[in-house]
Amino acid sequence: NAGVTQTPKFRVLKTGQSMTLLCAQDMNHEYMYWYRQDPGMGLRLIHYSVGEGTTAKGEVPDGYNVSRLKKQNFLLGLESAAPSQTSVYFCASRDYSGGTPNEQFFGPGTRLTVL
Amino acid sequence: TQLLEQSPQFLSIQEGENLTVYCNSSSVFSSLQWYRQEPGEGPVLLVTVVTGGEVKKLKRLTFQFGDARKDSSLHITAAQPGDTGLYLCAGYQRGSNYKLTFGKGTLLTVNP
Repeated sequence: NAGVTQTPKFRVLKTGQSMTLLCAQDMNHEYMYWYRQDPGMGLRLIHYSVGEGTTAKGEVPDGYNVSRLKKQNFLLGLESAAPSQTSVYFCASRDYSGGTPNEQFFGPGTRLTVL
Repeated sequence: TQLLEQSPQFLSIQEGENLTVYCNSSSVFSSLQWYRQEPGEGPVLLVTVVTGGEVKKLKRLTFQFGDARKDSSLHITAAQPGDTGLYLCAGYQRGSNYKLTFGKGTLLTVNP
């Protein structure tokens, strides 16, 4: 099992450019998440999905869009990148729990710099 | 306003020392998790605590969930350089089983 993989690992964008970050998981997990991590800020939830075809806003959704067309993939899009979106982005997945606080499995992260 | 306050934010100690990291909130959580993150990697779960007053041990690490389920602590005995990393507490609030709320983290450095 590869677990959770993220593509790309690094990216540099110019202000106004667009890009898509891809997250894939091979654990058949129902829930998937996108976080951003900034120095001194911990992890902040951008968007999440509780199943194929569903998405919901997290704590900091502005400037981002997501899609979950297939259960194993969760895409994060930036339509018009801004320097404030310079960050490390983590994808995570989690099994359906029925109330049990199951572990979230994280990918290795994507380091994005917006100039 | 940070829902989960972690302290200290930074901690640098010598090998063999003991330390405690705190995670506090004014809100009640149905469960709390502790994750450890190494540079260039994603966080990895260490433990989940669910019951108020619960204590869990993982080798030299002891985790406690407060009686009121508003706070938690992580105690490391005889720290080793391999314990170096970012420690994150995270909780599921009551009625929100989907979303984890993370603290800002405690960056621990254990010097040989």
